Amino acid sequence: KAGVTQTPRYLIKTRGQQVTLSCSPISGHRSVSWYQQTPGQGLQFLFEYFSETQRNKGNFPGRFSGRQFSNSRSEMNVSTLELGDSALYLCASRLTGETGELFFGEGSRLTVL
Amino acid sequence: GNSVTQMEGPVTLSEEAFLTINCTYTATGYPSLFWYVQYPGEGLQLLLKATKADDKGSNKGFEATYRKETTSFHLEKGSVQVSDSAVYFCALENKAAGNKLTFGGGTRVLVKP
Repeated sequence: KAGVTQTPRYLIKTRGQQVTLSCSPISGHRSVSWYQQTPGQGLQFLFEYFSETQRNKGNFPGRFSGRQFSNSRSEMNVSTLELGDSALYLCASRLTGETGELFFGEGSRLTVL
Repeated sequence: GNSVTQMEGPVTLSEEAFLTINCTYTATGYPSLFWYVQYPGEGLQLLLKATKADDKGSNKGFEATYRKETTSFHLEKGSVQVSDSAVYFCALENKAAGNKLTFGGGTRVLVKP
């Protein structure tokens, strides 16, 4: 059974640009969450989607957005990139929106220059 | 709100030594508690979990007991191996907060042969 797949794995952008990251959850999983991991702030929750609806959102500015498609694949977008957006972005999926094991992808490492 | 505090690392041990990583939490209601592990270059993997007070989670020789009276979920392993070198994250999930994971800052463990 394939795990959570995130693309791209690595990318470099410059300030002011925008970026789109993609996440394919485990087959059958309907909930997808996104987390940002940085050395200074640790792991912080961005948002969660379930059946194409955003169920929960963390304390990030509106530049961070996401969506989920009917096949449960998810994308997150960061517009007007800032240096502080450099981070590892982790996607996680689980079967339903209720409590249960989260399966994480390997992450997309974004560097903003 | 919810918060998780865990001991800072790095923790450096010799093979076969005893490992303890302290974790305490603050939460409303009755959260579920987790330990996740992140090996170099990989995403997070669930190591163990406990969903109610006095539950003991265990996996791969690691154990942690949900102590509501001390709001703690300390991770222990009796005899570590070089392959246990990783970053360990304590986390909680609370339905009152929308089922998102709140992570501690992570503890890097280095086991030397």
